[in-house]
Amino acid sequence: EIVLTQSPGTLSLSPGERATLSCRASQIVTSSFLAWYQQKPGQAPRLLIYGASIRATGIPDRFSGSGSGADFTLTISRLEPEDFAVYYCQQYGAFGPGTKVDFK
Amino acid sequence: QVQLVQSGAEVKKPGASVKVSCKASGYIFTDYYMHWVRQAPGQGLEWMGWINPNTGGTNYAQSFQGRVTMTRDTSISTAYMELGSLRSDDTAVYYCARARFGSGTWVMDVWGKGTTVTVSS
Repeated sequence: EIVLTQSPGTLSLSPGERATLSCRASQIVTSSFLAWYQQKPGQAPRLLIYGASIRATGIPDRFSGSGSGADFTLTISRLEPEDFAVYYCQQYGAFGPGTKVDFK
Repeated sequence: QVQLVQSGAEVKKPGASVKVSCKASGYIFTDYYMHWVRQAPGQGLEWMGWINPNTGGTNYAQSFQGRVTMTRDTSISTAYMELGSLRSDDTAVYYCARARFGSGTWVMDVWGKGTTVTVSS
């Protein structure tokens, strides 16, 4: 069973700053099935990235994904106010615990 | 547009069952898996399983085996998730989410708004 760990738990940043979120798997995983989701309070999750690095339809290019093996990264190049949310990585039926990006 | 519309909030007693529906529109229902994911208050996402609306085949997470049943009615493009033997820790928001066949099996690209299930005596 794959276990995903995300770090940090909380990332406190200001608009315009760069956010780097990490997702580590307990074993080497298939990049094709690594996805990232964004969730805002009271809303359903939204698909951001799939296949580790492919942006979903309508996702701005300030969001990018990278990584392989067991280590993956979601980068938000310049935070916009609407980007403050919780981010989850996912591989098959496993979700990471999430990283909250909040205002510094 | 593509939409998943879920049924309304439920309040159930411990030991009871709940059945949540998810009506799809804007796409061919039988061309995509339907996943179910839940989220307890203040917690993360927990995958429950999927159903293949084309065949009715299912794949349940081990932690829900024996307690969950996923079905579908293709005539009305609706998927259902029934959870039995409810406990207080089943209190959560339950989401349906579609994922395309093949390499996209685990890519949940459209989600319902969620159904709140409260288990309380």
